[in-house]
Amino acid sequence: QVQLVQSGAEVKKPGASVKVSCKASGYTFTSYGISWVRQAPGQGLEWMGWISAYNGNTNYAQKLQGRVTMTTDTSTSTAYMELRSLRSDDTAVYYCARDGEDTGYRYAWYFDLWGRGTLVTVSS
Amino acid sequence: EIVLTQSPGTLSLSPGERATLSCRASQSVSSSYLAWYQQKPGQAPRLLIYGASSRATGIPDRFSGSGSGTDFTLTISRLEPEDFAVYYCQQYGSSPETFGPGTKVDIK
Repeated sequence: QVQLVQSGAEVKKPGASVKVSCKASGYTFTSYGISWVRQAPGQGLEWMGWISAYNGNTNYAQKLQGRVTMTTDTSTSTAYMELRSLRSDDTAVYYCARDGEDTGYRYAWYFDLWGRGTLVTVSS
Repeated sequence: EIVLTQSPGTLSLSPGERATLSCRASQSVSSSYLAWYQQKPGQAPRLLIYGASSRATGIPDRFSGSGSGTDFTLTISRLEPEDFAVYYCQQYGSSPETFGPGTKVDIK
């Protein structure tokens, strides 16, 4: 069935990096972009950025520029999100979500399919 | 960026009652590009409504959305036990897309 399957929970120390994966199935991976959204404990939803599964173009939230990198592997229909220089306030559940039809260029859209989330805990 | 405000913060109702949730934008949302999501504890958000009033696939017709410009509403006509959750609005009329802080619908 149509789904996004994310990698498991991670515990990291401040200053470290984390890389979360998101494997798509049930649809043509390169036909839709992938966005990443995070949710700190007890808080709301924050859009982190987008990657085109079609051509690899990216667009990141301004506050994360320089710390986040999103990539894809079309051979395995998998998207990745790497966050560097982790801080305690990066502790959150990280979701991948299917974005709009992929033209290779960024446009804001809604998210019709979500992964189950990956808890990243940053603690010394 | 567009800031979304949701009210009330918490709505305490009984099963069978009608729920009316509000989402207000700091500036007009172009093309009524507003979506609503439901989130239950420990679960990912689920898309309910897009384009302000279009139901997503598989969403029961007790959920309806309305509004335009800066004021939008999600209505649940008769609350079922499974509807008690947190509801978020999201605008995608301009980048970056932004979410409201959520409205929790809990059992009275």
